[in-house]
Amino acid sequence: GENVEQHPSTLSVQEGDSAVIKCTYSDSASNYFPWYKQELGKRPQLIIDIRSNVGEKKDQRIAVTLNKTAKHFSLHITETQPEDSAVYFCAANSNYQLIWGAGTKLIIKP
Amino acid sequence: NAGVTQTPKFQVLKTGQSMTLQCAQDMNHEYMSWYRQDPGMGLRLIHYSVGAGITDQGEVPNGYNVSRSTTEDFPLRLLSAAPSQTSVYFCASSYDDSTYGYTFGSGTRLTVV
Repeated sequence: GENVEQHPSTLSVQEGDSAVIKCTYSDSASNYFPWYKQELGKRPQLIIDIRSNVGEKKDQRIAVTLNKTAKHFSLHITETQPEDSAVYFCAANSNYQLIWGAGTKLIIKP
Repeated sequence: NAGVTQTPKFQVLKTGQSMTLQCAQDMNHEYMSWYRQDPGMGLRLIHYSVGAGITDQGEVPNGYNVSRSTTEDFPLRLLSAAPSQTSVYFCASSYDDSTYGYTFGSGTRLTVV
């Protein structure tokens, strides 16, 4: 079945720097790749998603890139701010399910 | 438009007790699901439903039952609570099972003693 691997498990960056989180998937039929942000004690919230017919999508300071050939997709956050501190989850669809990565804890250092 | 509403927000159960976690959505979403999230861990799928009258098991279904009598409601029943079921439970809904984003409820924090 589908396997989604997410790296790194923890990422610490200086405020104002960029952060990149990477996910790989195994099912070549996957065509939908969402990213969720979960702040401490809160629910996961969809922040951006990409479908397999595009290679990149941007929304202000966040962007997602997709490489279908290599089967990986990445979340890019530029000009990081304290409110970006959270756990980020990637997911990929497979067999009518979303398969989740294990999560990345992003720490923004002041 | 309330989105996905979960009740209760907090619950303490004794081992062996049963209870129902409620989930309701007002977005006319066909797909609904239940996840559990243990401390510092990811999301594990318990049960899901692709429409009224249809339910199926996820990754960790043992000890839980669900029903979907209406599009709006998807309750999760704990049959005989065990300490291993101590977790945060999230309900999520979407237009379909895997090609649209999920809207999550605010969660139920369950402790079994």
